[in-house]
Amino acid sequence: DTGVSQNPRHKITKRGQNVTFRCDPISEHNRLYWYRQTLGQGPEFLTYFQNEAQLEKSRLLSDRFSAERPKGSFSTLEIQRTEQGDSAMYLCASTIGLVQGPSGANVLTFGAGSRLTVL
Amino acid sequence: ELKVEQNPLFLSMQEGKNYTIYCNYSTTSDRLYWYRQDPGKSLESLFVLLSNGAVKQEGRLMASLDTKARLSTLHITAAVHDLSATYFCAVVDGSGNTGKLIFGQGTTLQVKP
Repeated sequence: DTGVSQNPRHKITKRGQNVTFRCDPISEHNRLYWYRQTLGQGPEFLTYFQNEAQLEKSRLLSDRFSAERPKGSFSTLEIQRTEQGDSAMYLCASTIGLVQGPSGANVLTFGAGSRLTVL
Repeated sequence: ELKVEQNPLFLSMQEGKNYTIYCNYSTTSDRLYWYRQDPGKSLESLFVLLSNGAVKQEGRLMASLDTKARLSTLHITAAVHDLSATYFCAVVDGSGNTGKLIFGQGTTLQVKP
C-alpha cells in the first residue's frame, strides 16, 4: 500500500492550453473522488467514481472538465482551454467503499495533490 | 444543500493554552471527519465520528459530535508548536449514497512558543 499517488505535482500552463492530471488510488479502493482546493478554502467536490463508473459530477464542473477511470484503477482529470480561474490544487482521494456497521468509517485517503497555475 | 461552517477561521494561541474549534453543519449526516493539513501538503485523517455523543481522543486533540445540534468540536489541550496546521471538518453528504465529503473552510491554527 503506497498511498494515493498524483502527478504531476505541479503544472504551469498558459491560458487556453489543455492539462491532464493522473491519480493512482490505493489498489483495493473502488471509490475515487476528485476535489479542488483554492488558497484558504476547504476542498470542493468535483466528481466521483465507483469502479469505472462516474456516478456524480458537481454542478460547479464546467464542460471543459472531464474525468475518466477507464479500468476502475487509475483516473485522469482533463481541463480543456484552461482559464486563470482554474488555478488551484486538484486533490484525488480514494476509499474502499461504504462499509456498514460500527466499523463503517469509510475514511477518504487523499493524495498529495496536483497544483495548477494558469498564466 | 449541505453546508459546513467552522469557526474560528484563524486561531493564534500560546503554547500550553487550551482552545476549541467548532464545526456546524446544516443537514442531518451520520458521519463527521476531522482532517489536518500542513502547508503545501495533503490532508491527513485525524478522527471519524460515527454517532451522537461520540468522542475520540489522540494526544492533545479531542473531537466530539452532537448530531442533534449538528455540531462537532475539536478541543486542543496544552497546545504545542507541532499542532500548528489547518484543521478541516467534513461531513458525509447523505444524498445519493456516494460517500462524498463536504468540507468546512478550515481553521488555521498557529501555536506560538
